[in-house]
Amino acid sequence: QKEVEQDPGPLSVPEGAIVSLNCTYSNSAFQYFMWYRQYSRKGPELLMYTYSSGNKEDGRFTAQVDKSSKYISLFIRDSQPSDSATYLCAISYGNNRLAFGKGNQVVVIP
Amino acid sequence: DVKVTQSSRYLVKRTGEKVFLECVQDMDHENMFWYRQDPGLGLRLIYFSYDVKMKEKGDIPEGYSVSREKKERFSLILESASTNQTSMYLCASSTGGALETQYFGPGTRLLVL
Repeated sequence: QKEVEQDPGPLSVPEGAIVSLNCTYSNSAFQYFMWYRQYSRKGPELLMYTYSSGNKEDGRFTAQVDKSSKYISLFIRDSQPSDSATYLCAISYGNNRLAFGKGNQVVVIP
Repeated sequence: DVKVTQSSRYLVKRTGEKVFLECVQDMDHENMFWYRQDPGLGLRLIYFSYDVKMKEKGDIPEGYSVSREKKERFSLILESASTNQTSMYLCASSTGGALETQYFGPGTRLLVL
């Protein structure tokens, strides 16, 4: 079983819709939960991180962690064409390494 | 602002050639990483280095080697390039610790013919 599972299917939504992305993980020792955003032909960049169960908001973005279910989510409200990118979940267990999901390509259609 | 630069954006090589990919970071980070990214497979760690001259194998080290002679520079070497090494190569650096925030370069798209 992979450490982090993220269904890599693409997602197309109309502008203004809510985007919902999620990952599951297997190791309860994971400490920090992150979402990276990767624009086309660029490297990934950190979008948000959280370390506890519950929600964390940053503008139109909400990261949610449910440690009991080993489930993490990213919600994008009022999606914009500029949100079109690949979103990767990543989890740290404190040994200088990250476990990445495969990524979801999101396309927001104007 | 953290900056990670990679020597080439695009590279075309022939099978059997020795290939060097260079990465430089300007934030005095301890850790540096090389990943490859392929459609449907995501990011896979090839090697990482936690100090000068120190390295550890990642998940897919076969066919690759690395060199870190200076703190800011981490090189990935393909000893004898093969077509299955055609991929996007991403370098990253980090300070380490529990919150392992990695900063990525723009990537090198390598095509091996």
